[in-house]
Amino acid sequence: GNSVTQMEGPVTLSEEAFLTINCTYTATGYPSLFWYVQYPGEGLQLLLKATKADDKGSNKGFEATYRKETTSFHLEKGSVQVSDSAVYFCALSEGGGSEKLVFGKGTKLTVNP
Amino acid sequence: ETGVTQSPTHLIKTRGQQVTLRCSSQSGHNTVSWYQQALGQGPQFIFQYYREEENGRGNFPPRFSGLQFPNYSSELNVNALELDDSALYLCASSLDRRLYEQYFGPGTRLTVT
Repeated sequence: GNSVTQMEGPVTLSEEAFLTINCTYTATGYPSLFWYVQYPGEGLQLLLKATKADDKGSNKGFEATYRKETTSFHLEKGSVQVSDSAVYFCALSEGGGSEKLVFGKGTKLTVNP
Repeated sequence: ETGVTQSPTHLIKTRGQQVTLRCSSQSGHNTVSWYQQALGQGPQFIFQYYREEENGRGNFPPRFSGLQFPNYSSELNVNALELDDSALYLCASSLDRRLYEQYFGPGTRLTVT
C-alpha cells in the first residue's frame, strides 16, 4: 500500500539555521503531497502542498518540491525561528474517491534562541 | 466563521467500555474525516463522511463506527475499548471532500485503562 517515510527526529537547531526534513513516499499513481504542522496543543495545520511532479509548494518561508524521479518531498527553510518549533508531518493523498491522507510518523523540531 | 471543534477534550475509559466522540465541522463544510493518532505516530485514517454517507474507510475494525448528521457534525463511536485504542482522535472538515482545504480540530485525547 501507499506509505510515507520521514527522517527520524527529534531535530534541534539554533535560530537562523537551515532546516531540511526528508520525506520519501511509495504510491501507485500520482498522489498529491502535503506538509502539515502541529504546534503544541493545537490541531494539524496545512503548511504547503504540491499536486504534480516538479511543483514547488511554499508558505511562511518553507518550501518543498515534488520529485517524482526520487519519490521525495523534502521540507526546507533557509532560516528557522523559535516559533517554528513544532511537529511536522509529510502526507500523501489517496484518491479514488475516498480522499484520505496517509501520514508519515512526524518529525519534532525544536529551535533554540 | 467558527473552526472545527471537538468534544470532549480528554476522557478516560476502562477496557471493554464504549465511547462517543463528537466533531462540529467548520461552517459550510459537508465532509468530515476521522483520524487516530497514537503517541509518537502520524495520524491514521479511520473513515470519512460526505453528506451523511460513509465515503471511505481505513483499516479499522467494525467496532469503530461513525455517523454524520444533517448539520454535518459527526460522531465517532468505539465499542469494546482496548488499551491500544488510547490515542488522540482528530477530525477534519472540508467542502466537497477537498483535501487542499481540509481543517483539523484540536483532537480528543482518549485514555483506556
